[in-house]
Amino acid sequence: AQKVTQAQTEISVVEKEDVTLDCVYETRDTTYYLFWYKQPPSGELVFLIRRNSFDEQNEISGRYSWNFQKSTSSFNFTITASQVVDSAVYFCALSEARDSNYQLIWGAGTKLIIKP
Amino acid sequence: EPEVTQTPSHQVTQMGQEVILRCVPISNHLYFYWYRQILGQKVEFLVSFYNNEISEKSEIFDDQFSVERPDGSNFTLKIRSTKLEDSAMYFCASTGQTSYEQYFGPGTRLTVT
Repeated sequence: AQKVTQAQTEISVVEKEDVTLDCVYETRDTTYYLFWYKQPPSGELVFLIRRNSFDEQNEISGRYSWNFQKSTSSFNFTITASQVVDSAVYFCALSEARDSNYQLIWGAGTKLIIKP
Repeated sequence: EPEVTQTPSHQVTQMGQEVILRCVPISNHLYFYWYRQILGQKVEFLVSFYNNEISEKSEIFDDQFSVERPDGSNFTLKIRSTKLEDSAMYFCASTGQTSYEQYFGPGTRLTVT
């Protein structure tokens, strides 16, 4: 069965520190997609990144970077030089493409608090 | 940029009442989803909809729930007889043919009293 584990319930750091949010997933499929979403206090879900199972290249977007390692079934997210505006709940999610259904299986989320 | 919209943003209803949550997916998208998030908890899949029928549903999506695409643009979630535990944020999402990225609406906060 598919499952996403975000072991860190809450992380608190001081502004400008780097922080890594962990995500470990389980799936029996060879084709799958991994996502990160941000949920700020206002409640909406903001898409950050999608990665498919055939692409293990790490990605960097500004202060955000993602490390996808199939060998350890992990898809970790690092924020460099964190800012107060990064404070939010971050969700990792998994999607398996089966019969035209791409439902997302979500981790429990990590609440990130950036203190000024 | 096209976006998914949801109405209302907040709905308060009494236990036992029927509610309909409305969503307008992105116009050329083909796959539609409802998720819910109980306050402070993870997001949970409810149902997916493709080609005018349910393609998959979770254990949460029991006989009290139904979905419909009544007119080619709206996608609705109906809860027939609300319970206190239905209080949650309900998110609608849609996906295109090949993008696999789900675009989420802003959510409807349902409060059952």
